Amino acid sequence: GENVEQHPSTLSVQEGDSAVIKCTYSDSASNYFPWYKQELGKGPQLIIDIRSNVGEKKDQRIAVTLNKTAKHFSLHITETQPEDSAVYFCAASRKDTGTASKLTFGTGTRLQVTL
Amino acid sequence: GAGVSQTPSNKVTEKGKYVELRCDPISGHTALYWYRQSLGQGPEFLIYFQGTGAADDSGLPNDRFFAVRPEGSVSTLKIQRTERGDSAVYLCASSPTMSDTQYFGPGTRLTVL
Repeated sequence: GENVEQHPSTLSVQEGDSAVIKCTYSDSASNYFPWYKQELGKGPQLIIDIRSNVGEKKDQRIAVTLNKTAKHFSLHITETQPEDSAVYFCAASRKDTGTASKLTFGTGTRLQVTL
Repeated sequence: GAGVSQTPSNKVTEKGKYVELRCDPISGHTALYWYRQSLGQGPEFLIYFQGTGAADDSGLPNDRFFAVRPEGSVSTLKIQRTERGDSAVYLCASSPTMSDTQYFGPGTRLTVL
Protein backbone atom coordinates (compact mmCIF):
# COMPACT_ATOMS: atom_id res chain seq x y z
CA GLY A 1 0.00 0.00 0.00
CA GLU A 2 0.84 3.68 -0.07
CA ASN A 3 3.40 5.12 2.36
CA VAL A 4 3.80 8.86 2.92
CA GLU A 5 6.78 10.36 4.72
CA GLN A 6 6.80 13.95 5.95
CA HIS A 7 9.62 16.26 7.09
CA PRO A 8 10.38 18.08 9.28
CA SER A 9 8.37 16.96 12.30
CA THR A 10 8.70 20.41 13.86
CA LEU A 11 9.42 23.77 12.28
CA SER A 12 9.88 27.13 13.96
CA VAL A 13 10.01 30.33 11.89
CA GLN A 14 9.82 34.01 12.63
CA GLU A 15 6.78 35.95 11.58
CA GLY A 16 7.14 37.07 7.98
CA ASP A 17 9.55 34.29 7.02
CA SER A 18 8.70 31.39 4.71
CA ALA A 19 8.03 27.80 5.76
CA VAL A 20 8.52 24.70 3.63
CA ILE A 21 7.24 21.20 4.43
CA LYS A 22 8.17 18.22 2.28
CA CYS A 23 6.54 14.86 1.66
CA THR A 24 7.40 11.78 -0.34
CA TYR A 25 5.06 9.00 -1.42
CA SER A 26 5.66 5.45 -2.56
CA ASP A 27 2.77 4.53 -4.89
CA SER A 28 3.37 5.92 -8.37
CA ALA A 29 -0.36 5.49 -9.07
CA SER A 30 -1.32 8.12 -6.47
CA ASN A 31 -2.86 11.09 -8.23
CA TYR A 32 -4.30 13.40 -5.58
CA PHE A 33 -2.30 15.23 -2.92
CA PRO A 34 -4.10 17.41 -0.34
CA TRP A 35 -2.64 19.37 2.55
CA TYR A 36 -4.53 19.77 5.80
CA LYS A 37 -4.07 22.16 8.73
CA GLN A 38 -5.08 20.90 12.15
CA GLU A 39 -5.44 23.13 15.17
CA LEU A 40 -5.55 21.78 18.70
CA GLY A 41 -8.80 19.96 19.43
CA LYS A 42 -10.14 20.35 15.89
CA GLY A 43 -10.44 18.20 12.82
CA PRO A 44 -8.13 18.59 9.81
CA GLN A 45 -9.01 21.50 7.53
CA LEU A 46 -8.17 21.32 3.83
CA ILE A 47 -5.96 24.26 2.83
CA ILE A 48 -4.81 23.34 -0.67
CA ASP A 49 -4.62 20.31 -2.94
CA ILE A 50 -2.97 19.32 -6.19
CA ARG A 51 -3.62 16.63 -8.77
CA SER A 52 -1.03 14.70 -10.70
CA ASN A 53 -1.66 16.53 -13.96
CA VAL A 54 -0.44 19.79 -12.42
CA GLY A 55 3.08 20.70 -11.25
CA GLU A 56 2.31 23.71 -9.08
CA LYS A 57 -0.67 25.42 -7.53
CA LYS A 58 -0.88 28.66 -5.59
CA ASP A 59 -3.52 30.25 -3.38
CA GLN A 60 -2.51 33.58 -1.87
CA ARG A 61 0.33 32.86 0.59
CA ILE A 62 0.17 29.09 0.12
CA ALA A 63 1.65 27.08 -2.74
CA VAL A 64 2.16 23.40 -3.41
CA THR A 65 4.58 21.81 -5.87
CA LEU A 66 4.56 18.24 -7.17
CA ASN A 67 7.38 16.24 -8.72
CA LYS A 68 5.87 13.01 -10.04
CA THR A 69 9.19 11.60 -11.20
CA ALA A 70 10.75 11.92 -7.76
CA LYS A 71 7.42 11.20 -6.03
CA HIS A 72 7.59 14.17 -3.74
CA PHE A 73 5.49 17.23 -3.07
CA SER A 74 5.97 20.30 -0.92
CA LEU A 75 3.96 22.96 0.85
CA HIS A 76 5.25 26.53 0.83
CA ILE A 77 3.85 29.21 3.11
CA THR A 78 5.13 32.74 2.56
CA GLU A 79 4.87 35.75 4.89
CA THR A 80 3.99 33.54 7.82
CA GLN A 81 1.69 34.86 10.52
CA PRO A 82 1.10 33.69 14.11
CA GLU A 83 -2.27 32.23 13.06
CA ASP A 84 -0.41 29.85 10.72
CA SER A 85 0.84 28.00 13.82
CA ALA A 86 -0.71 24.50 13.72
CA VAL A 87 0.06 20.94 12.70
CA TYR A 88 0.15 20.40 8.94
CA PHE A 89 -0.46 17.04 7.28
CA CYS A 90 0.22 15.97 3.74
CA ALA A 91 -1.72 13.09 2.23
CA ALA A 92 -1.94 11.04 -0.93
CA SER A 93 -4.63 9.00 -2.60
CA ARG A 94 -5.30 7.09 -5.77
CA LYS A 95 -8.63 8.02 -7.30
CA ASP A 96 -9.75 5.52 -9.91
CA THR A 97 -13.12 5.95 -11.58
CA GLY A 98 -15.89 4.71 -9.28
CA THR A 99 -13.57 3.56 -6.49
CA ALA A 100 -12.66 4.86 -3.06
CA SER A 101 -10.07 7.55 -2.56
CA LYS A 102 -8.94 6.83 0.95
CA LEU A 103 -6.21 9.16 2.09
CA THR A 104 -2.83 8.05 3.41
CA PHE A 105 -1.43 10.74 5.68
CA GLY A 106 2.07 11.77 6.65
CA THR A 107 3.00 12.01 10.32
CA GLY A 108 2.55 15.77 10.50
CA THR A 109 4.66 18.90 10.93
CA ARG A 110 4.16 21.15 13.91
CA LEU A 111 4.70 24.71 12.67
CA GLN A 112 5.33 27.46 15.17
CA VAL A 113 5.44 31.07 14.01
CA THR A 114 7.15 33.29 16.54
CA LEU A 115 6.83 37.06 16.84
CA GLY B 1 -23.50 25.76 5.44
CA ALA B 2 -23.17 23.14 8.13
CA GLY B 3 -20.05 21.04 8.11
CA VAL B 4 -19.51 17.47 9.22
CA SER B 5 -20.65 16.97 12.80
CA GLN B 6 -19.67 14.20 15.22
CA THR B 7 -21.12 13.18 18.54
CA PRO B 8 -20.15 12.85 21.26
CA SER B 9 -17.12 15.13 21.23
CA ASN B 10 -15.63 13.13 24.09
CA LYS B 11 -16.33 9.62 25.28
CA VAL B 12 -14.78 7.95 28.31
CA THR B 13 -15.48 4.27 28.80
CA GLU B 14 -14.12 1.30 30.67
CA LYS B 15 -12.22 -1.58 29.15
CA GLY B 16 -14.59 -4.21 27.81
CA LYS B 17 -17.53 -1.84 27.22
CA TYR B 18 -19.35 -1.18 23.95
CA VAL B 19 -19.35 2.30 22.35
CA GLU B 20 -21.06 3.98 19.42
CA LEU B 21 -19.73 7.06 17.68
CA ARG B 22 -21.96 9.08 15.35
CA CYS B 23 -21.17 11.07 12.21
CA ASP B 24 -23.47 13.47 10.35
CA PRO B 25 -21.96 14.25 6.95
CA ILE B 26 -22.44 17.39 4.92
CA SER B 27 -25.90 17.30 3.35
CA GLY B 28 -25.84 15.69 -0.07
CA HIS B 29 -22.40 14.12 0.28
CA THR B 30 -22.57 10.52 -0.86
CA ALA B 31 -19.13 9.37 0.33
CA LEU B 32 -18.32 9.01 4.02
CA TYR B 33 -15.02 8.00 5.60
CA TRP B 34 -13.89 7.06 9.09
CA TYR B 35 -10.31 7.60 10.23
CA ARG B 36 -8.54 7.08 13.54
CA GLN B 37 -5.88 9.46 14.81
CA SER B 38 -3.54 8.47 17.62
CA LEU B 39 -1.63 11.10 19.57
CA GLY B 40 1.11 12.68 17.47
CA GLN B 41 0.17 10.76 14.33
CA GLY B 42 -1.67 11.42 11.12
CA PRO B 43 -5.18 10.04 10.61
CA GLU B 44 -5.37 6.38 9.53
CA PHE B 45 -8.11 5.10 7.26
CA LEU B 46 -10.68 2.73 8.74
CA ILE B 47 -13.67 2.40 6.38
CA TYR B 48 -15.35 4.11 3.45
CA PHE B 49 -19.03 4.20 2.46
CA GLN B 50 -20.43 5.10 -0.92
CA GLY B 51 -24.12 5.53 -0.22
CA THR B 52 -25.31 2.83 2.17
CA GLY B 53 -22.70 0.21 1.39
CA ALA B 54 -19.22 -0.18 2.83
CA ALA B 55 -17.10 0.01 -0.31
CA ASP B 56 -13.79 -0.50 1.51
CA ASP B 57 -13.37 -1.67 5.11
CA SER B 58 -9.74 -2.71 4.76
CA GLY B 59 -8.63 -0.33 7.52
CA LEU B 60 -10.74 -1.79 10.31
CA PRO B 61 -8.20 -3.27 12.74
CA ASN B 62 -10.25 -6.32 13.79
CA ASP B 63 -13.79 -7.66 14.07
CA ARG B 64 -14.50 -5.62 17.21
CA PHE B 65 -14.96 -2.64 14.90
CA PHE B 66 -18.05 -2.25 12.75
CA ALA B 67 -19.72 0.68 10.99
CA VAL B 68 -23.12 1.22 9.39
CA ARG B 69 -24.80 3.85 7.26
CA PRO B 70 -28.33 2.47 6.82
CA GLU B 71 -29.93 5.39 4.99
CA GLY B 72 -26.90 6.75 3.18
CA SER B 73 -26.50 9.76 5.44
CA VAL B 74 -25.67 9.39 9.15
CA SER B 75 -23.06 6.76 10.02
CA THR B 76 -22.30 5.02 13.29
CA LEU B 77 -18.96 3.46 14.18
CA LYS B 78 -19.38 0.67 16.72
CA ILE B 79 -16.62 -0.76 18.88
CA GLN B 80 -17.21 -3.88 20.95
CA ARG B 81 -15.19 -5.02 23.98
CA THR B 82 -13.12 -1.84 23.98
CA GLU B 83 -9.42 -2.04 24.80
CA ARG B 84 -7.06 0.64 26.10
CA GLY B 85 -5.34 0.62 22.71
CA ASP B 86 -8.57 1.83 21.10
CA SER B 87 -8.07 5.23 22.76
CA ALA B 88 -7.71 7.80 19.98
CA VAL B 89 -9.58 10.54 18.15
CA TYR B 90 -12.04 9.10 15.65
CA LEU B 91 -12.53 11.37 12.66
CA CYS B 92 -15.27 11.32 10.08
CA ALA B 93 -15.05 12.93 6.64
CA SER B 94 -17.45 13.27 3.74
CA SER B 95 -17.12 14.19 0.11
CA PRO B 96 -19.43 14.87 -2.82
CA THR B 97 -20.00 12.30 -5.55
CA MET B 98 -16.99 11.81 -7.84
CA SER B 99 -14.88 14.26 -5.81
CA ASP B 100 -11.48 13.70 -4.21
CA THR B 101 -11.97 16.40 -1.62
CA GLN B 102 -12.71 15.18 1.90
CA TYR B 103 -14.13 17.48 4.56
CA PHE B 104 -13.44 16.44 8.13
CA GLY B 105 -15.51 16.75 11.26
CA PRO B 106 -14.10 17.77 14.67
CA GLY B 107 -13.68 14.17 15.80
CA THR B 108 -14.67 12.15 18.84
CA ARG B 109 -11.98 11.67 21.46
CA LEU B 110 -12.37 8.15 22.86
CA THR B 111 -10.63 7.26 26.11
CA VAL B 112 -10.71 3.67 27.33
CA LEU B 113 -9.75 3.35 30.99
